[in-house]
Amino acid sequence: GQQVMQIPQYQHVQEGEDFTTYCNSSTTLSNIQWYKQRPGGHPVFLIQLVKSGEVKKQKRLTFQFGEAKKNSSLHITATQTTDVGTYFCSEEGGSEKLVFGKGTKLTVNP
Amino acid sequence: EPEVTQTPSHQVTQMGQEVILRCVPISNHLYFYWYRQILGQKVEFLVSFYNNEISEKSEIFDDQFSVERPDGSNFTLKIRSTKLEDSAMYFCASSGAGGRTDTQYFGPGTRLTVL
Repeated sequence: GQQVMQIPQYQHVQEGEDFTTYCNSSTTLSNIQWYKQRPGGHPVFLIQLVKSGEVKKQKRLTFQFGEAKKNSSLHITATQTTDVGTYFCSEEGGSEKLVFGKGTKLTVNP
Repeated sequence: EPEVTQTPSHQVTQMGQEVILRCVPISNHLYFYWYRQILGQKVEFLVSFYNNEISEKSEIFDDQFSVERPDGSNFTLKIRSTKLEDSAMYFCASSGAGGRTDTQYFGPGTRLTVL
């Protein structure tokens, strides 16, 4: 079935360092969504990317959608302890359902 | 800001018992979903619901599962005879009238523990 692969699975950084997580698919995606889940929390929608090569920014977060629409990345500049959580990419699995990657768990050491 | 709500936040049940998980989607949304997340794993799709019927379901959503929209606000997930492996977080989500490209908003989840 459809799946999106996310790397790395875990990332530990010192506060102030940058962080990047990558999402890859073997098939062309119609769009991709990024969600953040804090420990013990629920997925919170961050952004949706639709266009080839699209780049969107939210404060310290930069989201990119590849030219071939097969990969995406989320980059956080100068991480803070509030960035702790698991970042999931998801794609619409050919219908309304979302197919999630396994996520990248980010821990930030103060 | 409107949000999806879910009750209870935590449900503990004995194996073989029936449970009903409740959700109140965002009021003007038309598409409703249930997902589950086993501890430490990814979020998995269970079922989507639109226009008072199931529009899609995953292989996880077997005959033990059912969904219902009993009134204009609630959306429920019933598990008829719970198994140990049903222990997970269950998230309800809803989205608006935009269909496939519309954002899905998740509720806080119900943690189901089957003993």
